[in-house]
Amino acid sequence: DVKVTQSSRYLVKRTGEKVFLECVQDMDHENMFWYRQDPGLGLRLIYFSYDVKMKEKGDIPEGYSVSREKKERFSLILESASTNQTSMYLCASSFHRGSSNQPQHFGDGTRLSIL
Amino acid sequence: GDSVTQMEGPVTLSEEAFLTINCTYTATGYPSLFWYVQYPGEGLQLLLKATKADDKGSNKGFEATYRKETTSFHLEKGSVQVSDSAVYFCALNIDYKLSFGAGTTVTVRA
Repeated sequence: DVKVTQSSRYLVKRTGEKVFLECVQDMDHENMFWYRQDPGLGLRLIYFSYDVKMKEKGDIPEGYSVSREKKERFSLILESASTNQTSMYLCASSFHRGSSNQPQHFGDGTRLSIL
Repeated sequence: GDSVTQMEGPVTLSEEAFLTINCTYTATGYPSLFWYVQYPGEGLQLLLKATKADDKGSNKGFEATYRKETTSFHLEKGSVQVSDSAVYFCALNIDYKLSFGAGTTVTVRA
């Protein structure tokens, strides 16, 4: 089974802090994704990566950046955390770019609170 | 752009009741369609998928048929259990990105 592991289940940070959310997958997947989940809005794509050192903006990239130095690891960075970034963050991975029928596999999520 | 609209919740049912969650999509190409489920405190899990018109996906007693003529992918289960209480998301995949519906919270009472 694919395992997508997010480093923290719960995280509390203060406004203005730089925050790192880490995600690791163990199935050699090429694609990795970061979403945020908010009630009534479903999941919204922040950034994704289809290869090491490659990244593309999703629907809501403002205030975020990402890093993919190794194939198995994809980090989400909040450069200067703000209260409107309080949310559930979900990481996902999938097997192959351009293959539309490959499902994404999700981690358990990080519930981030910015105070 | 490509998008998914799914039935708003919450939905509350009694055990053994029939469940339907409506999902319709808008897409310029030929997407694959998915249903994901999120149990309390967990991430999303793939429930079922369909990759072309008239395909039927099924898993754990749930079914959904890809209807191109009505651009729909409704989720159904004939007899729900308490353990089916969760949030259900419809999603479409064009290229390799997913577009999600807002999610439907389902609660099944014993």
